[in-house]
Amino acid sequence: GAVVSQHPSWVICKSGTSVKIECRSLDFQATTMFWYRQFPKQSLMLMATSNEGSKATYEQGVEKDKFLINHASLTLSTLTVTSAHPEDSSFYICSASGFLVSSGGTDTQYFGPGTRLTVL
Amino acid sequence: DQQVKQNSPSLSVQEGRISILNCDYTNSMFDYFLWYKKYPAEGPTFLISISSIKDKNEDGRFTVFLNKSAKHLSLHIVPSQPGDSAVYFCAASRGSSNTGKLIFGQGTTLQVKP
Repeated sequence: GAVVSQHPSWVICKSGTSVKIECRSLDFQATTMFWYRQFPKQSLMLMATSNEGSKATYEQGVEKDKFLINHASLTLSTLTVTSAHPEDSSFYICSASGFLVSSGGTDTQYFGPGTRLTVL
Repeated sequence: DQQVKQNSPSLSVQEGRISILNCDYTNSMFDYFLWYKKYPAEGPTFLISISSIKDKNEDGRFTVFLNKSAKHLSLHIVPSQPGDSAVYFCAASRGSSNTGKLIFGQGTTLQVKP
């Protein structure tokens, strides 16, 4: 079946540094990728939607200059947390939507395994 | 504004019995609903979905019921198995599939006891 990978799976960084998280669709072309954030014991909150080759659409309250999203190809989207602070510590999950033959020829959305970010 | 709500943070059920997880929503523009299962430090795994034109969808041990007038949906797992123990999220979207923006509930932790 479809696989969406994220790298790294966990990262610890110092306050003020920037961290890049990669999201890849491994066996299908993802026309759209989504970035979610989940704080402990809370729901997954959508941060932004990115379409290949165009600017990301950010949800209300998400700072686009702090969370830089690049969707350079149909298989890769990156999220860069700039000048990270402890309050940015969270579990970041991406998902990818696209046409997948093995799913019966339907568009579907698959989630990556997530990246745990800890900012000291 | 929490548009999708799961008011029960946890549920404990005996193996073999039925598990019923509930979800309420406020936005009448939602027309596609999904249930996901999630383990700690992993991404959600799709379980089952339902379109707003239906009131029931069944897949093996999992059945989702939708009551549009009450803006309520539920996931039934019968029979429950210990491997079903996880956090269950309901999600909603505007559109006919799960390829668009999803709004998630807070999740319900299900524990199935042997």
